[in-house]
Amino acid sequence: DTEVTQTPKHLVMGMTNKKSLKCEQHMGHRAMYWYKQKAKKPPELMFVYSYEKLSINESVPSRFSPECPNSSLLNLHLHALQPEDSALYLCASSQGSGMVETQYFGPGTRLLVL
Amino acid sequence: AQKITQTQPGMFVQEKEAVTLDCTYDTSDPSYGLFWYKQPSSGEMIFLIYQGSYDQQNATEGRYSLNFQKARKSANLVISASQLGDSAMYFCAMRGFGNQFYFGTGTSLTVIP
Repeated sequence: DTEVTQTPKHLVMGMTNKKSLKCEQHMGHRAMYWYKQKAKKPPELMFVYSYEKLSINESVPSRFSPECPNSSLLNLHLHALQPEDSALYLCASSQGSGMVETQYFGPGTRLLVL
Repeated sequence: AQKITQTQPGMFVQEKEAVTLDCTYDTSDPSYGLFWYKQPSSGEMIFLIYQGSYDQQNATEGRYSLNFQKARKSANLVISASQLGDSAMYFCAMRGFGNQFYFGTGTSLTVIP
């Protein structure tokens, strides 16, 4: 089973709202990732958690706040977003961080900020 | 620094024909992994195939094969017997040491009936 689930599938929010994206995997993977993807562009790495600790933060604005409550769950808390933050947000996981480790992606959350 | 280059923004292929999607890379890591993903319009990134830099043989997975030429730093994806469901964006990616994947800019493949 290589399934990563993400909720919600779609989200529309105003610039003053607070919302959260959720990602879950039950493959025993110890690395989890958040990516942002604009239309017709490759995914851009935002955050990496390794063994439930934040290991990479790619200079993401503080209006995005990641959280890893346990080894299976990854959240992305959103607050005071801008219209340019509208994008597809992808979660991924991998067994570890070695070069042979495949990242498995979830279906994504399509976010629209009004 | 790692870099992945996909020079074909869009490709067309006739149904049941084979197609090659190009990918070149640049890295100073002594060992690395190369990956191909498919992204249909629904958005999900689907893992297709993996090639390790020290693998002697080219990787194959069903209709997908990876033409790995280490000296030329290329890792082209070959899709045989194209199907309408193969129409999607295809991303080449590389992973060296550490937790980062590096993606190419993608190739949009359209299969014509």
